[in-house]
Amino acid sequence: EVQLVESGGIEVQPGGSLRLSCAASGFGFDDFAMHWVRQAPGKGLEWVSLINWIGDRTYYADSVQGRFTISRENSKNSLYLQMNSLRPEDSAWYYCARGSDHSGGQYFDYWGQGTLVTVSS
Amino acid sequence: EIVLTQSPLSLPVSPGEPASISCRSSQSLLRVDGYNYLNWYLQKPGQSPQLLIFLGSNRAFGVPDRFSGSGSGTDFTLRISRVEAEDVGVYHCMQALQTPPYTFGQGTKLEIK
Repeated sequence: EVQLVESGGIEVQPGGSLRLSCAASGFGFDDFAMHWVRQAPGKGLEWVSLINWIGDRTYYADSVQGRFTISRENSKNSLYLQMNSLRPEDSAWYYCARGSDHSGGQYFDYWGQGTLVTVSS
Repeated sequence: EIVLTQSPLSLPVSPGEPASISCRSSQSLLRVDGYNYLNWYLQKPGQSPQLLIFLGSNRAFGVPDRFSGSGSGTDFTLRISRVEAEDVGVYHCMQALQTPPYTFGQGTKLEIK
């Protein structure tokens, strides 16, 4: 069974940093691209970042470019999102999701349960 | 960036009745391979999104056949032939043609009358 379990979400002050993790199991992690998608409470979904299967290609939404860094450790079946210079508008549930292929995918077929990040003073 | 517009944003439906949700794209999502790069997700209350329909009209594994996706180019529809209580939640469309970024519609909240 495919499982994605996020962790690391907490309340942090504006300007602070945070690292989210996503532990994957039940599939060949290094065969698939991975994504982060976020959802502010009561709002719609926003794609945040993509990393390809080997980790040498990464992409970001304009809203997080230069502040967030996606990475993966295939030996540990883990995905990460380093979040720096956090702003109140970054407050959201953060989901990791599996892309449907190794480069990015035409759809996201599995999602984790999410981890909540709150940026507030 | 491709913009997706869903309608309606709120959809009250009686059990057993049909329902349909529209998703319109600012650009054609039909790729040269013949597939429409438009997907549908359902986010049940308190849960993460789950894939319902991929590439326009293909049901994901385990999705009941009362769900169907149709459309091509810029206009797409998700239909539920007979709504059940377990279908409540927010339905999201997502495009994967011009990426990044992947973009989503605003979401349509389906509720039972």
